[in-house]
Order: sequence, then structure tokens, then C-alpha cells
Amino acid sequence: KNEVEQSPQNLTAQEGEFITINCSYSVGISALHWLQQHPGGGIVSLFMLSSGKKKHGRLIATINIQEKHSSLHITASHPRDSAVYICAVREGAGSYQLTFGKGTKLSVIP
Amino acid sequence: ETGVTQSPTHLIKTRGQQVTLRCSSQSGHNTVSWYQQALGQGPQFIFQYYREEENGRGNFPPRFSGLQFPNYSSELNVNALELDDSALYLCASSSGTSGGTEQFFGPGTRLTVL
Repeated sequence: KNEVEQSPQNLTAQEGEFITINCSYSVGISALHWLQQHPGGGIVSLFMLSSGKKKHGRLIATINIQEKHSSLHITASHPRDSAVYICAVREGAGSYQLTFGKGTKLSVIP
Repeated sequence: ETGVTQSPTHLIKTRGQQVTLRCSSQSGHNTVSWYQQALGQGPQFIFQYYREEENGRGNFPPRFSGLQFPNYSSELNVNALELDDSALYLCASSSGTSGGTEQFFGPGTRLTVL
């Protein structure tokens, strides 16, 4: 069973700061997802990646398969980025199950 | 294109009762996965339905059961509710069952068991 660890658990930043959230996992995977969860529960998928790097607006996600590690970066953070960011991994290519980290709670202060 | 919807949004039950939660998948999606998220924790996989059949199951007891209908909407049923079943229940739909398939999540149903 994959163990997914995220750090930090909580993060407070000033508006405009560059933010990094880390995710590490214990077993090789076929895909890694970064998700955003706002208060109230709804989850939005930000990225799905299996290698390299993806960018969408101010968000950048990277993954190092050899190191079993991924990072989510937010440039020029804004209060509307305040949310819980969750990393989830899918193991084999035939696997249907996602294993989630506990999430990182981000608060961006104006 | 409509997104994933869930009903009800909130629900309060007492220990020992039974509950049914509903999920309508995104248009064109034939796979629904259900997750339980306890307060302060990440979601945990309950099971997945693909074309009306259970396609995989996490570490949940048999009192957690489900259905998928021909229109690919789905139900999660929980019998003999326990206090620890209090959680946010999320469903996610996708157009495939595995690998790099992206999942689209619903807003969740918050269940409180008293």
C-alpha cells in the first residue's frame, strides 16, 4: 500500500509570495494528481502527471519518478488560492484506486 | 456539459440507521468512484463502478455497498451506521477506469451520525 506524505501540513503566506507544497510516496506509480479543496468540500483537479512538469497559469507541478517526489508551486500567491491542496497517486497502469495524502492547508493573507 | 452532482448536500442520521447517497456522473463518463473523507484527513477510496459492475474496492466493510444505473449515475448505501461513518462522502466520475484517466469530483455529501 502506498504511503503518501505531504509537507507542510499548514502554510501561511503573504500575498505575492512563491509557495511550494511537497508530496512524497513510497511505491512506484502510474500517475499523480494534485487537487484543490475549498471549504465546504468540493474538489477540483489541478494537474495529473506521470513525468516532468506541467504549468497552468500561476500553478506549476513537477514530478521526479526516481525520487518518488512531486511539488506544486504557486507563483504570485493570492488570497483566492487559500484552500487545501491534496496529492493523490495511482499505482499500476491497471489500477483504479487513488491513494491520497492528508492535504496541505494554505492560507494567503492580503 | 453538466458536472458531477451529489445529493443530498447534508444529512443527519442516528447510529444503526441506513443511508443512501446519490451521484450523477458527468456527461459521457461511464465510471464512478466513491471516497470517504473524515475531518482533517485525505479521502479514502471506498469502491469504483464501471458499466454497472463493481470494479474495485478499498478497505471498507460489506455494510458499504453501491449501485450504478444504466445512465451511469450511482448510489452509495451504508447500513448499520456507526459514529465513525460521520464524514464527507465524495464521488468522482471519469471516462475510464485506470491509468492516466482524470477524475471529476462532485461537491460531496456531509453525513453526520449521532
